[in-house]
Amino acid sequence: QKEVEQDPGPLSVPEGAIVSLNCTYSNSAFQYFMWYRQYSRKGPELLMYTYSSGNKEDGRFTAQVDKSSKYISLFIRDSQPSDSATYLCAMSSGTYKYIFGTGTRLKVLA
Amino acid sequence: ETGVTQTPRHLVMGMTNKKSLKCEQHLGHNAMYWYKQSAKKPLELMFVYSLEERVENNSVPSRFSPECPNSSHLFLHLHTLQPEDSALYLCASSQDLSGVGYEQFFGPGTRLTVL
Repeated sequence: QKEVEQDPGPLSVPEGAIVSLNCTYSNSAFQYFMWYRQYSRKGPELLMYTYSSGNKEDGRFTAQVDKSSKYISLFIRDSQPSDSATYLCAMSSGTYKYIFGTGTRLKVLA
Repeated sequence: ETGVTQTPRHLVMGMTNKKSLKCEQHLGHNAMYWYKQSAKKPLELMFVYSLEERVENNSVPSRFSPECPNSSHLFLHLHTLQPEDSALYLCASSQDLSGVGYEQFFGPGTRLTVL
């Protein structure tokens, strides 16, 4: 079993839809949870950073962590074609050793 | 220049060539990283430097040789690579290795093709 599981997609949605991206994990020591966005031919860009459980909101983006279920989510409201990218989850127990998911490719159709 | 920059952006090399990848961070960070990103695989951590000292070598073959001359610059020297080494090589930096402020910021990557 992989430490972090992420559906690779692609996920196609119409413009304006609410998008839900998810990762599950097996290591209960993870305390820090990150979401990165990676456009084609670019490096990953840090979108959201959450410590422990709970929700964090930043504009159209909401990150949610459920440690009891070992499940994290990223919600994108009012999705735009410019949100089309690959979204990577990453997690850590508190050190530089991030464990990444394989990424979910999202396409928002105009 | 801002953030983390990498050169070259694209590199094609034969298996007998020697080449180097360069990374520079303009964030005043203390730690720098090399990652390998292959299709449909998670990012693989290769090397980690903190204050110019290597703290991690994640079982990387010796044909990859890192160098960190100062806290702003990181190199990856390549020698006698194999076609399976073709990938996107990403450099990242963070303020520190752990604790508050250790989020990692990535450069745009070098797309490497080994023929």
